[in-house]
Amino acid sequence: EIVLTQSPATLSLSPGERATLSCRASQSVSNYLAWYKQKPGQAPRLLIYDASNRATGIPARFSGSGSGTDFTLTISSLEPEDFAVYYCQQRSNWPPTFGGGTKVEIK
Amino acid sequence: EVQLLESGGGLVQPGGSLRLSCAASEFIFNNYAMNWVRQAPGKGLDWVSAISGSGASTNYADSVRGRFTISRDNSKNTLYLQMNSLRAEDTAIYYCARALTNTLRDYFDYWGQGTLVTVSS
Repeated sequence: EIVLTQSPATLSLSPGERATLSCRASQSVSNYLAWYKQKPGQAPRLLIYDASNRATGIPARFSGSGSGTDFTLTISSLEPEDFAVYYCQQRSNWPPTFGGGTKVEIK
Repeated sequence: EVQLLESGGGLVQPGGSLRLSCAASEFIFNNYAMNWVRQAPGKGLDWVSAISGSGASTNYADSVRGRFTISRDNSKNTLYLQMNSLRAEDTAIYYCARALTNTLRDYFDYWGQGTLVTVSS
């Protein structure tokens, strides 16, 4: 099973700042990686798929990059609604696996 | 707007059974693979099972294989998860999630609100 390691575990930032989240895979997943956002009490929401494609309705301030084993989710300027937990997920190999999450909190 | 509405969760004793349902609407149900993903209280996301649009192909996480069965009724636009021999570690919110395409191994573009399963004596 492919293990996804997200860092940092917690990111403390202010609104308007840039957020950079990392996801590292235990083996290559090519570009088969997605990012999700989850707010407390809500279901996850797909943000990015295939490493860099924004899902329907996702604002341009969200961008993804990377391939192979190292991936990055960047939020160019944090809005109040962006403070949440973010998960990466691979679909390269069975089973699909998720990272442990990065919490973006208000500083 | 795509809607997924889970039901069937609740409190069950270890060794017991439960069947979850997920009613889908506002999309062509049999065009998409469907999944169950769970989240233990305060923990991360854990994929459980997937089924193809026709229902002919399925797959399971090792932790539930042989105990859980995924199925779908395309005439009723409904996804199911039959859970047998439940264990305390199965306690979680169970989400129904649509695959981005009809690929069995995929991303999840729409999620239900989840249904809580608690396994405890």
